[in-house]
Amino acid sequence: AAGVIQSPRHLIKEKRETATLKCYPIPRHDTVYWYQQGPGQDPQFLISFYEKMQSDKGSIPDRFSAQQFSDYHSELNMSSLELGDSALYFCASSFDRGVSILSGANVLTFGAGSRLTVL
Amino acid sequence: AQTVTQSQPEMSVQEAETVTLSCTYDTSESDYYLFWYKQPPSRQMILVIRQEAYKQQNATENRFSVNFQKAAKSFSLKISDSQLGDAAMYFCAYRTAINEKLTFGTGTRLTIIP
Repeated sequence: AAGVIQSPRHLIKEKRETATLKCYPIPRHDTVYWYQQGPGQDPQFLISFYEKMQSDKGSIPDRFSAQQFSDYHSELNMSSLELGDSALYFCASSFDRGVSILSGANVLTFGAGSRLTVL
Repeated sequence: AQTVTQSQPEMSVQEAETVTLSCTYDTSESDYYLFWYKQPPSRQMILVIRQEAYKQQNATENRFSVNFQKAAKSFSLKISDSQLGDAAMYFCAYRTAINEKLTFGTGTRLTIIP
């Protein structure tokens, strides 16, 4: 079965540089989520998109931006990188269109993550 | 805001034994989902089991089962016949209505002793 695809898997950048992470959700999934997981930390929610519109926003720095494209893939753009941005970045997708809270179907499936190292 | 608490940073269990990981949560919602995710050394986030709040019956997936106590807002994970491959960080997570993010607990690192 198709899974959530993230690229690149590993990325090394210098401080103040820019990085772009890509996420390709499971086909037919309409919602994409981005999470940041620092070393020894639990995943922290950054931002989400439903049907190409931003649906929720968490603790995402102003230096970060994201969007979801017409083919439902999403990109997370990070500028003016700082050492503290070094983390594992997860993308997850779910299928929520027309699904009620009682259907039990809308599980988040995670990609393998993109590890960003800022030097 | 919803919060998820895992009070056991680390747990260990002998291979083939049973272990229970604890999770409590705080919410004012009546309908929601609860999940346990496993994160092995590969760092992949893998769904272990899920529970719908409206269901009274506890979810079970092979060796994994939950004890869901809605009134107490408790959601523990029991792993039976522990195997070496169960060694991982386990995260309890909460999700309310559709299109809502997952809120994670701080995780419990499970070690399996051969």
